Amino acid sequence: EADIYQTPRYLVIGTGKKITLECSQTMGHDKMYWYQQDPGMELHLIHYSYGVNSTEKGDLSSESTVSRIRTEHFPLTLESARPSHTSQYLCASSASIRDGTEAFFGQGTRLTVV
Amino acid sequence: GESVGLHLPTLSVQEGDNSIINCAYSNSASDYFIWYKQESGKGPQFIIDIRSNMDKRQGQRVTVLLNKTVKHLSLQIAATQPGDSAVYFCAENMGNAGNMLTFGGGTRLMVKP
Repeated sequence: EADIYQTPRYLVIGTGKKITLECSQTMGHDKMYWYQQDPGMELHLIHYSYGVNSTEKGDLSSESTVSRIRTEHFPLTLESARPSHTSQYLCASSASIRDGTEAFFGQGTRLTVV
Repeated sequence: GESVGLHLPTLSVQEGDNSIINCAYSNSASDYFIWYKQESGKGPQFIIDIRSNMDKRQGQRVTVLLNKTVKHLSLQIAATQPGDSAVYFCAENMGNAGNMLTFGGGTRLMVKP
């Protein structure tokens, strides 16, 4: 079992609300990632971080923002949710070692904006 | 909301048969590759990995083959079981601590009883 946790698992929220999806890992990993995935679709990297105070945008443009104030915590925020944000959001982390290593995933947050 | 990206291809196999899932990777400098399994409603889970100095690696009922010449990766599942039904993703990484894991498009495996 990977020690990476996402909350909430499911969220239904109204348009215009501000939301924060939480992601925490207890493995001491430097790298953390956020992926967006629609049902039956590919994984798209939307944000990543190399470590504390590092945040980068991924391959897919997203209206969300992230922060990395602590190693173990990588929250994702939507300032004003819209129905187009309805999707599954997956958080992952990996160690920074030279030869590459696997990423561990959380269970995901399924977001529905109504 | 509007779906992002492409629908995943589907591979349908009979229970007990062997499955082969293919993946074309993009970066010739990548030297570390992983196969992930994602069951419905869950995050992807690690199955097996391989480094570029190998052509083949075997696990329990799974084998990964790497062909660097054509940038192709495959996952073979022996004696496929209903519990193998899931979406399978390949991922690549350059052997540099500063690089991120990049995922391929994924394949849905459906096992018929």
